[in-house]
Amino acid sequence: DIQMTQSPSSLSASVGDRVTITCRASQDISNSLAWFQQKPGKPPKSLIWRASNLQSGVPSKFSGSGSGTDFSLIISTLQPEDFATYYCQQYNSFPFTFGPGTTVDI
Amino acid sequence: EVQLLESGGGLVQPGGSLRLSCAASGFTFSNHWMTWVRQAPGKGLECVASIKPDGNEKYVDSVKGRFTISRDSAKNSLYLQMNSLRVEDTAVYYCARGGALEYWGQGTLVTVSS
Repeated sequence: DIQMTQSPSSLSASVGDRVTITCRASQDISNSLAWFQQKPGKPPKSLIWRASNLQSGVPSKFSGSGSGTDFSLIISTLQPEDFATYYCQQYNSFPFTFGPGTTVDI
Repeated sequence: EVQLLESGGGLVQPGGSLRLSCAASGFTFSNHWMTWVRQAPGKGLECVASIKPDGNEKYVDSVKGRFTISRDSAKNSLYLQMNSLRVEDTAVYYCARGGALEYWGQGTLVTVSS
């Protein structure tokens, strides 16, 4: 199975900050990488697919980059509604696997 | 508007069975991969099973031989038959569209406990 790691596991930030979360795959997954945002008690919400494609309706302050084994999610200007847990996921091969999550709090 | 609505969760004893359903609308169901993802209380996300449009099924090792994923395109529905349930299967179960999981339902809670 492909192992996914994320860093940092948590971070504290302020409104207006630029935040970068990194994700690493244990083997080459090309660009088969998605990012999700999850708030307590809610299902995950898709932000990015194919490493850098913004999901419909997601604001452009979110962006993704990378290919192969190393990927990044950037939130350009943090807003109060962005405090949440973020997961990366590879869908290059089954079982599709997730990173452990990065919690962004104030 | 894409909608996914899960049902069928509940409390079951270890060794018991449950069948989850997911009603899909707002897209051509027969054209898409569908996936079941679970999240144990306070934990991360795990893809449990996935099924291609042609019916090809995939499972994570921990549920192989116990869970069966299926689909009915006439009813626009996805199913997960769960047998020989264990305490560690306790989780919220979500259905999601595709391998990239573009859309998610609200989830249904499965609790395995004596």
